[in-house]
Amino acid sequence: SQTIHQWPATLVQPVGSPLSLECTVEGTSNPNLYWYRQAAGRGLQLLFYSVGIGQISSEVPQNLSASRPQDRQFILSSKKLLLSDSGFYLCAYETSGNTIYFGEGSWLTVV
Amino acid sequence: AQRVTQPEKLLSVFKGAPVELKCNYSYSGSPELFWYVQYSRQRLQLLLRHISRESIKGFTADLNKGETSFHLKKPFAQEEDSAMYYCALKENNDMRFGAGTRLTVKP
Repeated sequence: SQTIHQWPATLVQPVGSPLSLECTVEGTSNPNLYWYRQAAGRGLQLLFYSVGIGQISSEVPQNLSASRPQDRQFILSSKKLLLSDSGFYLCAYETSGNTIYFGEGSWLTVV
Repeated sequence: AQRVTQPEKLLSVFKGAPVELKCNYSYSGSPELFWYVQYSRQRLQLLLRHISRESIKGFTADLNKGETSFHLKKPFAQEEDSAMYYCALKENNDMRFGAGTRLTVKP
């Protein structure tokens, strides 16, 4: 069966520190992968999506970056966090059939 | 540009009353539209998609190309329907979501 896992579930980081959120998918190959940020009143904001290894599309210019070093691994990173980076981040994957499956999310608090 | 619009952030109805969550989209091609739901303490998950023309948990959604709408409807709301609902549009390789509507069904 297909599963998606992202970690850590919660993270408290000081301003200016680096960030790495990881996401892995199992049970499928060559999925489309996504990073979203969920913010109150703003819904789900698409940050990055990837259709294959090393292929990243960025939707919003910002302090974050994404990488896909392996087929089923998607990483959200920052070199220097800002207070405004605080939020709830969701990783998701899509296989044939156009259904998006979401991870459980990661709460990031930048202090 | 906003491609998916959900005009209501909050919607409250009484149990047994009809409910309609509005969604309008902007897309020049043939849209693929979805409704996702997030119940308390659960993952965001697919509720239904327009191409299936299905009814899930009593909910239906009809694509109206003339009005560019994909409103979600249920004739008799239940308390367990209380959740956050997101309308989504598949555009090329990415899925874009609206801001969401929080539905509260009161007893």
